[in-house]
Amino acid sequence: GAGVSQTPSNKVTEKGKYVELRCDPISGHTALYWYRQSLGQGPEFLIYFQGTGAADDSGLPNDRFFAVRPEGSVSTLKIQRTERGDSAVYLCASSLGDRAIYNEQFFGPGTRLTVL
Amino acid sequence: QKEVEQNSGPLSVPEGAIASLNCTYSDRGSQSFFWYRQYSGKSPELIMSIYSNGDKEDGRFTAQLNKASQYVSLLIRDSQPSDSATYLCAAQKTSYDKVIFGPGTSLSVIP
Repeated sequence: GAGVSQTPSNKVTEKGKYVELRCDPISGHTALYWYRQSLGQGPEFLIYFQGTGAADDSGLPNDRFFAVRPEGSVSTLKIQRTERGDSAVYLCASSLGDRAIYNEQFFGPGTRLTVL
Repeated sequence: QKEVEQNSGPLSVPEGAIASLNCTYSDRGSQSFFWYRQYSGKSPELIMSIYSNGDKEDGRFTAQLNKASQYVSLLIRDSQPSDSATYLCAAQKTSYDKVIFGPGTSLSVIP
């Protein structure tokens, strides 16, 4: 597709459940980022992939959060034992990464996660 | 101290005026800076990027960078009601590093 796509657009789950959020980046973009955004806040960095490997996962809040990008394209953010505090909009962005000097990111529409 | 700081606003300007949005960053090693616009309920949209000291103009938008003062700004000339949104400032060290966003400044352009 022309842009970054994310599925689902909305996810409602119960406390303690497991969820997976998917991101499909722009074709040819080697870098992929996950962010979390709460109301009235800027995007909070979670993890960054360059190709298949996680180049920086310093933003993952705890070991309940995990992300993969097995073939260097689609990525899945996985959250175990969800808590109400995990409720937020999860944004994915992609860029040319280390193929470019400058790293302009393009965002997907986001997944709104609500944990009841 | 947060890595990227912005006044949360709201900043209100009349239609046709110049809106001035400011951002400071703490990591002196930051090299690339970005301004994103985010409408309510939507995802951020890139409007400007700047990498060198000085001004960069694109239509009604001008980004200004002063690395010595660790300061980035965005000027919007001839502000329109459609410019009403939250403006996010972001900084990055190199293309191999994560991008850090500020909290955003809410802009309201009054007709």
